[in-house]
This record gives sequence, C-alpha cells and structure tokens, in this order.
Amino acid sequence: GESVGLHLPTLSVQEGDNSIINCAYSNSASDYFIWYKQESGKGPQFIIDIRSNMDKRQGQRVTVLLNKTVKHLSLQIAATQPGDSAVYFCAENPNSGTYKYIFGTGTRLKVLA
Amino acid sequence: GAGVSQSPSNKVTEKGKDVELRCDPISGHTALYWYRQRLGQGLEFLIYFQGNSAPDKSGLPSDRFSAERTGESVSTLTIQRTQQEDSAVYLCASSSPRGLGEQFFGPGTRLTVL
Repeated sequence: GESVGLHLPTLSVQEGDNSIINCAYSNSASDYFIWYKQESGKGPQFIIDIRSNMDKRQGQRVTVLLNKTVKHLSLQIAATQPGDSAVYFCAENPNSGTYKYIFGTGTRLKVLA
Repeated sequence: GAGVSQSPSNKVTEKGKDVELRCDPISGHTALYWYRQRLGQGLEFLIYFQGNSAPDKSGLPSDRFSAERTGESVSTLTIQRTQQEDSAVYLCASSSPRGLGEQFFGPGTRLTVL
C-alpha cells in the first residue's frame, strides 16, 4: 500500500555539523512533498516543501532534495543548532486531486553540544 | 494573531465514554484536517474538510469516529464508546484556500482512555 517511511529513526549530530534526514516514499504518482518539524508537546511545523517537477529547493539553512527515480526525499540542515532538536516528518500528497497527506514515522534529531 | 487552537489540551476518560474534541482553524482557511498520532509514531490521517463538506473520510478507523464542521469554522471530532487503543494525540490542521500547501497545526489534544 501507499507508505512513507524513514531510514533512520534517530540521528545524533554534533552542533555545527550538517544533518541529513532521509525519507522513502512508495507512490510514484505523489507530486508534492513537505517536511515538518515537531518539537515535544507541539504540533508539527512546516519547514519546506517541494513539487515533483523540482529536484532541489533551498530555504534558510535547509535544503530538500527529491530523487524521483528512486523515490527518495532528503532534508539537509546546515550548521545544526540545539534548537533543531526535534522529530522530523516527511509527508507526501499521493494524488493531486485530493488534499490528503501521508506522513512517515519520523526521525528524531538530537543535537549534541 | 490566532493560530489553530484545540480544546481540551488533555482529556482523560474512562473506557466506553464518549468524547468530543474541538478545533478552531485559522480564520479564512477553508481546508481542515484531523490526524491521530500515537506515542512515538507518525501522523495518521483521519478526515479532511473542504468548507463544511468532508470529501475524504477514509482515515476514520471505525464507525465510532465521526467529525463535523460548521461552515468554514469550528470542527469537532467525536469518539463514541472510547477504547484504550484510542489513546493518542489528536491533531488538527488548517490550510488556505489556495490549494496544496502548508498546513498549520494546532497543539493537539492528548486523549487518555483508562
């Protein structure tokens, strides 16, 4: 069935280093993807999105890469800071005719001082 | 500056009781979503509203779950005859009428069924 999964459930990164969080999706028809950050006790917060007609999109300290050939999505965080510690989810929209999103399990990012 | 609000923030109930969870979306947002998040897990889609109609209810786990929305405003998620497996955080999100895009999430309601 349709699913969005993550390769690494927990990622520990030294402060100042770059972080890469990965996500695999199974539906080749998905045409829109979002990365969310969820801090403890809070709802998810939008980080960055990308449409399937793009391979890369950059934001402030974050970059999302999309590889449609292998159905892989990644989130790169530059110069990781303690405030980046959170759970990160990727979400896909599997059908442009609906507004339904499928979320992955999430990756916990721990930033080490 | 109102974001998405949800109430109550926490709800403890006994097995078999009915509960109502409320979501107030951002003003002007026509799309509203309900998700369930079990501890340590991702978000499970429950239902999506466009205005006060629900074109996609496919995520509702059973007929004990129902949701309604008044116009393009408040939504309530009702769980009847709660079971222990209903324990989770229930998240609501809304988005603008422009179509696909950022969903703004509320803080969630933590439901515990004893």
